[in-house]
Amino acid sequence: SQTIHQWPATLVQPVGSPLSLECTVEGTSNPNLYWYRQAAGRGLQLLFYSVGIGQISSEVPQNLSASRPQDRQFILSSKKLLLSDSGFYLCAWSGGFADTQYFGPGTRLTVL
Amino acid sequence: KNEVEQSPQNLTAQEGEFITINCSYSVGISALHWLQQHPGGGIVSLFMLSSGKKKHGRLIATINIQEKHSSLHITASHPRDSAVYICAVRSGGRDDKIIFGKGTRLHILP
Repeated sequence: SQTIHQWPATLVQPVGSPLSLECTVEGTSNPNLYWYRQAAGRGLQLLFYSVGIGQISSEVPQNLSASRPQDRQFILSSKKLLLSDSGFYLCAWSGGFADTQYFGPGTRLTVL
Repeated sequence: KNEVEQSPQNLTAQEGEFITINCSYSVGISALHWLQQHPGGGIVSLFMLSSGKKKHGRLIATINIQEKHSSLHITASHPRDSAVYICAVRSGGRDDKIIFGKGTRLHILP
């Protein structure tokens, strides 16, 4: 069966520090991978998606970036965090764009 | 106006009541998802619909493509159903994107 992992579960970082969140999927090959953010009191926002290794599509401009160094690994990064980057970050995978997306447990990021 | 609108925004009901959450959208879609987000933040995908109706346990999801409307029903509601329910649509086509509703916060009282 497929499982999706995210770490860390919670993170508190100062403004201006770098960020690296990792997501890995097990039990499937060549999944579509997604990074979402949910800011306090707001709905889910799709940040990035990837259909394959090295292929990243950005949905919104921001100071975040994503990379997919391996088929089942998706990394969300920032060189310098902003206060507005605080939120709940979710990774998800699906077999195809119209397929059900399966979400990881999420990372709660607080930028101070 | 948001492309995906959910109603109600908040709903409190007694245990056992029949619950309906509505989702209307204004774009063409290839699929519609209903998601459940628990207080701890974890999200579970409940249904993926492109037409008709699906049922899983006490949950039923319907979609009317012509009217651009979907409903999520919960029969015999239980306090453990308390969560935020999110409607999301995949637009498909050349401008393929996922659009989320703002969610419906459901609270079931024992």
